[in-house]
Amino acid sequence: AQSVTQLDSHVSVSEGTPVLLRCNYSSSYSPSLFWYVQHPNKGLQLLLKYTSAATLVKGINGFEAEFKKSETSFHLTKPSAHMSDAAEYFCVVSDMIKAAGNKLTFGGGTRVLVKP
Amino acid sequence: DAGVTQSPTHLIKTRGQHVTLRCSPISGHKSVSWYQQVLGQGPQFIFQYYEKEERGRGNFPDRFSARQFPNYSSELNVNALLLGDSALYLCASSSSTGKDTQYFGPGTRLTVL
Repeated sequence: AQSVTQLDSHVSVSEGTPVLLRCNYSSSYSPSLFWYVQHPNKGLQLLLKYTSAATLVKGINGFEAEFKKSETSFHLTKPSAHMSDAAEYFCVVSDMIKAAGNKLTFGGGTRVLVKP
Repeated sequence: DAGVTQSPTHLIKTRGQHVTLRCSPISGHKSVSWYQQVLGQGPQFIFQYYEKEERGRGNFPDRFSARQFPNYSSELNVNALLLGDSALYLCASSSSTGKDTQYFGPGTRLTVL
């Protein structure tokens, strides 16, 4: 079974400084990996997706993530944090299940606080 | 285009009652998945349906059931509610299954008293 570990439960950054959210995964085959963001009392919004094409994936709102197979990592970065980036971020792996289905396995989440 | 819609937005029930949550997928999407998100945790997979057939089930008791209708909308039913069922229930739709991206609705907040 797949699993996802987000190495930081909370990250605090100042506005305008870089953001780094760390994620490690375990997978028995070539995975599909995602980052989703959840603002307070909202659903989940897709930031970006990796599906075995380019290892550096660009997403929305200036976020990008790098897939490193040798390190089983998929860290999320943004060069300059904005106040609107304050939210919870989830690293997610897609897991094939029987009957040709798939399920998403979520990490525990990283809550990002942006200080003015 | 409308995204995934869920109803109701909020729901308060008492222990032992039954609840039905509803989801309408993005137009053209044929797969619906359900997730439970307990406060402070990441979502947990409950069910996936594709073309009205169950394609997967997570580690949830038989009190949880679901179905998908010919128009691809879906219902999640929970019987004999427990306090621990209080959570945000998220519905996600995708074109099919496999590696297709799942797009999430805003969720239904269920509180069991």
